[in-house]
Amino acid sequence: DVKVTQSSRYLVKRTGEKVFLECVQDMDHENMFWYRQDPGLGLRLIYFSYDVKMKEKGDIPEGYSVSREKKERFSLILESASTNQTSMYLCASIERQGARHEQYFGPGTRLTVT
Amino acid sequence: AQSVTQLGSHVSVSEGALVLLRCNYSSSVPPYLFWYVQYPNQGLQLLLKYTTGATLVKGINGFEAEFKKSETSFHLTKPSAHMSDAAEYFCAVSDQGDYKLSFGAGTTVTVRA
Repeated sequence: DVKVTQSSRYLVKRTGEKVFLECVQDMDHENMFWYRQDPGLGLRLIYFSYDVKMKEKGDIPEGYSVSREKKERFSLILESASTNQTSMYLCASIERQGARHEQYFGPGTRLTVT
Repeated sequence: AQSVTQLGSHVSVSEGALVLLRCNYSSSVPPYLFWYVQYPNQGLQLLLKYTTGATLVKGINGFEAEFKKSETSFHLTKPSAHMSDAAEYFCAVSDQGDYKLSFGAGTTVTVRA
């Protein structure tokens, strides 16, 4: 069974803190993604990575950075958390040459910044 | 970037009634099309997808969707709603050969007994 796991389901942080969200997939997928989900806005792409140490900005990268040191792990970093970053964060992965064209999602991390 | 429009942020149906969720996309070139479902406090799960071939696509849990190129639509239907269908549904598209998805705003379905 394919699996994408995220380090925390719920997280509460203070304004200005540095926050790390971790995502791990066990499917040997090359491509990994970070989205944020907000009511009425659907999912918006923050960053994605198509290989180890490779990354590209998505639609809303401001205030975020990412790290991919190993193929299975993709980290989202909030350098200085702000209240407008309170949201649900979802990680996903997809194989590069696969015929399924399907992204697999983790359960999400609900982050609250106070 | 693709634009995806889901008509109706909330849909309420009676148990046993038809479920119809609407999705339109902006591309002039047929993209890959997806419907995902999100149950409370969970991640997204793929319901069905269209990439090539037959335009009527069947998915899990009795859902199906039809790709209509002339209408740039990919509406999701289920003939008879069940209480377990209460969830949020997202339509998503990607350009052929691209891995990135563009999502609609989502439609929350409630099922009345």
